[in-house]
Amino acid sequence: DIQMTQSPSSVSASVGDRVTITCRASQGISSWLAWYQQKPGKAPKLLIYLASSLQSGVPSRFSGSGSGTDFTLTISSLQPEDFATYFCQQTSSFPLTFGGGTKVEIK
Amino acid sequence: EVQLLESGGGLVQPGGSLRLSCAASGSTFRSHAMSWVRQASGRGLEWVSSLSGSDGSTYYADSVKGRFTISRDTSKNTLYLQMNSLRAEDTAVYYCVKERTPYYYYGMDVWGQGTTVTVPS
Repeated sequence: DIQMTQSPSSVSASVGDRVTITCRASQGISSWLAWYQQKPGKAPKLLIYLASSLQSGVPSRFSGSGSGTDFTLTISSLQPEDFATYFCQQTSSFPLTFGGGTKVEIK
Repeated sequence: EVQLLESGGGLVQPGGSLRLSCAASGSTFRSHAMSWVRQASGRGLEWVSSLSGSDGSTYYADSVKGRFTISRDTSKNTLYLQMNSLRAEDTAVYYCVKERTPYYYYGMDVWGQGTTVTVPS
């Protein structure tokens, strides 16, 4: 199975800050990676697929990069509605696996 | 845009069975891959099972293989998850998910609101 490791597990940031979240795969997955945002009590929401493709309707302040084993999700200017937990997911092979999550909290 | 509505969750004793349903509205998911993802309280996301939109192939996490069965009734636009021999560790919110394409490579773009399954220890 491909293990997905996210870091940090939590980050405190202020509105307007640039936030970067890292996801590392235990083996190469090319660009088969997705990012999701989840708010408390809600279902996750797809932000990025194929490592860097922005899902329709997602603000352009979200961006993804990377290939192989190392990936990043960047929020260029944190907005109040962005405080949430973010998960990466490898879509390269079964079993599909998710990272442990990164909680973005208000500083 | 398709919307997904799960039902069928509840409290079940260890060893019991439940069948989750996921009704799609707004569009058909006939040509899309569909999956179930679960989340235990306060925990991360765990993929459970997928059904290919191209050839109907099914895939399962090792933790549920042999106990859970994913299926689809295209005439009813409904996805199912039959869960047998339930264990305490199956306790979670179960999300029905539509993949972006007939394949699983491109992310899960529509999620249901989730249905809760509780199996006491």
